[in-house]
Amino acid sequence: SQQGEEDPQALSIQEGENATMNCSYKTSINNLQWYRQNSGRGLVHLILIRSNEREKHSGRLRVTLDTSKKSSSLLITASRAADTASYFCATDETGFQKLVFGTGTRLLVSP
Amino acid sequence: DGGITQSPKYLFRKEGQNVTLSCEQNLNHDAMYWYRQDPGQGLRLIYYSQIVNDFQKGDIAEGYSVSREKKESFPLTVTSAQKNPTAFYLCASGTGRVDGYTFGSGTRLTVV
Repeated sequence: SQQGEEDPQALSIQEGENATMNCSYKTSINNLQWYRQNSGRGLVHLILIRSNEREKHSGRLRVTLDTSKKSSSLLITASRAADTASYFCATDETGFQKLVFGTGTRLLVSP
Repeated sequence: DGGITQSPKYLFRKEGQNVTLSCEQNLNHDAMYWYRQDPGQGLRLIYYSQIVNDFQKGDIAEGYSVSREKKESFPLTVTSAQKNPTAFYLCASGTGRVDGYTFGSGTRLTVV
């Protein structure tokens, strides 16, 4: 299985701004998930969107999924310094029983 | 509180030595996974297990071995055949179908 690609690789913004990161993948999926990783720590699950859903919200997070383009985006609104972390997308590929993770976007939110 | 515990947090391996990383969960999950993360990189799957006494190779299984004798435990052995073992190792559990995976806090392995 091949990793998804995330874009941009790194993103630097000011507190209060919105952050958008994108994920592209190559195969048919059951769902797509986003995770956050603080430096040197394990990953934390943020949100899951199923293949038949187009948009999902959770607090300041908004995720979209376009299965025709095999792409997803994660929007974090009104960013805070505490949002500084790496963000990974992961796909639950049809026919498999494991997640495939993307390469990640490093987000830096400056006060 | 339910969760996954990985130990040790830091591990040093000498050349030619086998080392075992521990992963224990009390979430009652059937499925468990081991990932490897290199600096600035994504996660690559080493091994996974959907049920006790059964496991499958992931994308980079060479030089690693696992066992799944108990539902709660999924230890990973990094053998001397793994020529570049320095990395951050993450254990996870869950189905990934409803709530996503729960991850441990990781073990950082360094060859000395």
